[in-house]
Amino acid sequence: GIQVEQSPPDLILQEGANSTLRCNFSDSVNNLQWFHQNPWGQLINLFYIPSGTKQNGRLSATTVATERYSLLYISSSQTTDSGVYFCAVEGRGSTLGRLYFGRGTQLTVWP
Amino acid sequence: ETGVTQSPTHLIKTRGQQVTLRCSSQSGHNTVSWYQQALGQGPQFIFQYYREEENGRGNFPPRFSGLQFPNYSSELNVNALELDDSALYLCASSLSRQGSPLHFGNGTRLTVT
Repeated sequence: GIQVEQSPPDLILQEGANSTLRCNFSDSVNNLQWFHQNPWGQLINLFYIPSGTKQNGRLSATTVATERYSLLYISSSQTTDSGVYFCAVEGRGSTLGRLYFGRGTQLTVWP
Repeated sequence: ETGVTQSPTHLIKTRGQQVTLRCSSQSGHNTVSWYQQALGQGPQFIFQYYREEENGRGNFPPRFSGLQFPNYSSELNVNALELDDSALYLCASSLSRQGSPLHFGNGTRLTVT
């Protein structure tokens, strides 16, 4: 299967700081999605971003499919941004429809 | 618009028992996928159901099986439970089998003792 690597594994910030999370993947993919997992375990879809750049409030994401990476930017972080951020890619061919997840970035934002 | 709902939220079973987890897809979504998330790991794909047929399976043994019903809701069944089956089981629905954002439920936390 496709290998997905996320960095950094852990990130500790003070409220108001900015951060960049990175996702590298090992093969061509059909699409890429970013998720936030809250402390109760629910995965919230932040972005569906096969390529290009998207913005949603304080969050933005960029995927460069030809170079097999994606970046998630969080600006002016808030304590409610804490949780685990996952990058997931959808395979191609026989693996269409299945997402391969990285191990996540654990973000902690202190007041 | 109703989101993805899963039941039960928590479950404790004994090794060797069988378990059934349930999922209702988001309104308008015809595809359901199941994922297993062990502690500290990213979710792993179990299988996907589309129009009541299994449409792709991950690296899980046959004792993991599923169903999808005409209303697109789904069940995950696990037989002969093992201690390693303890995990968070996540259901996701989507508008199509591929190339579509996934929307997850809150998950079922299964503990096998």
